Amino acid sequence: ETGVTQSPTHLIKTRGQQVTLRCSSQSGHNTVSWYQQALGQGPQFIFQYYREEENGRGNFPPRFSGLQFPNYSSELNVNALERDDSALYLCASSQPAAGSLHEQFFGPGTRLTVL
Amino acid sequence: KQEVTQIPAALSVPEGENLVLNCSFTDSAIYNLQWFRQDPGKGLTSLLLIQSSQREQTSGRLNASLDKSSGRSTLYIAASQPGDSATYLCAVRYPGANSKLTFGKGITLSVRP
Repeated sequence: ETGVTQSPTHLIKTRGQQVTLRCSSQSGHNTVSWYQQALGQGPQFIFQYYREEENGRGNFPPRFSGLQFPNYSSELNVNALERDDSALYLCASSQPAAGSLHEQFFGPGTRLTVL
Repeated sequence: KQEVTQIPAALSVPEGENLVLNCSFTDSAIYNLQWFRQDPGKGLTSLLLIQSSQREQTSGRLNASLDKSSGRSTLYIAASQPGDSATYLCAVRYPGANSKLTFGKGITLSVRP
């Protein structure tokens, strides 16, 4: 069984640029959630995708957007980058089937630095 | 507002000590609670998940308890080892349409040899 993978591992951008982060969900999982973790803080929920549709969103502006593909992999896109977007971006997958535990499994994260 | 609190922010103990990490949450109507371990700069590793109907879960030297009525969970680590040094986060999922987790800020544990 393959775990959650993310790419790239690290990324450096400048203010105003756009970035795309990628996530492959664990085998058999159809739900992907994205979180932002600033240094010294707990992860903050950005949004979730279920069967290619956004299914819940946290308190993040519209310049944070996403996609989910038929194979359940996902992308997080951030436009007009700001220095405060510097963080570890985590992807988690789960399988919210009836009777499941809804346990979430996280990838290794992408470290984004905005200069 | 649904908040999760973990105090203290950091803890240092000698090797071999049994220890308890605390987590409190403001809204007791949870679906489940999950404890994670995070090594510096890395992703989250799931340690234990407790459903709202359960009182505790055990895995090896780890035991997590849940008291919904008081809005508290504890993670008990027996016979701590230097390899247990990491940040421990608790996260709560509430009933609803998605799998959103609400996290505490974590407790950074250092186990001294």
